[in-house]
Amino acid sequence: AQSVTQLDSHVSVSEGTPVLLRCNYSSSYSPSLFWYVQHPNKGLQLLLKYTSAATLVKGINGFEAEFKKSETSFHLTKPSAHMSDAAEYFCVVIGAYQGGKLIFGQGTELSVKP
Amino acid sequence: EAGVTQFPSHSVIEKGQTVTLRCDPISGHDNLYWYRRVMGKEIKFLLHFVKESKQDESGMPNNRFLAERTGGTYSTLKVQPAELEDSGVYFCASSQDYRGRTGELFFGEGSRLTVL
Repeated sequence: AQSVTQLDSHVSVSEGTPVLLRCNYSSSYSPSLFWYVQHPNKGLQLLLKYTSAATLVKGINGFEAEFKKSETSFHLTKPSAHMSDAAEYFCVVIGAYQGGKLIFGQGTELSVKP
Repeated sequence: EAGVTQFPSHSVIEKGQTVTLRCDPISGHDNLYWYRRVMGKEIKFLLHFVKESKQDESGMPNNRFLAERTGGTYSTLKVQPAELEDSGVYFCASSQDYRGRTGELFFGEGSRLTVL
């Protein structure tokens, strides 16, 4: 069975400082991993995805994530936070042959202070 | 291009009543999904349509929930009778890849259901 665990329910950073949102996964298969973001009163939006190509994945708005099989991690980072990054972020896994059945982590609320 | 739209955005009903949520996917997307987030919990899969057929309904909590997608276009999710534990945000998503295998879904803004 596949699962993801987001290690922080809430992260607060100052504008201009780095962002780190942590995610560990568990999968019997070679996983496909995603980060989705939900801004207030908006639908979830795909931020980036890993599907067994390059282990460092770049996404939209300057975010990137690194797949580390030895650590079963897929942490999301951004060098410099912007006020508009304030949102809830979800780490997601999809196992082989699972179609669109996404398995979500608990979510991490990111606050950005001016 | 219009995104995934859901209606209503918020519904407040009493226990025992019926509610129907509607989802209009992106035009041309064969795959349509329903997900739910109960307060304080993670977002969970409910079911997956491919066109008008139910591909996977393993996440439907019980027989009080009925999803339909007549004609392979919009979908409805009916809860009858509603219980307190049904409160949450119901998300609809669609995708155009074959049976959703890439995992790239386009989500609506969600329908918030409050059962009193």
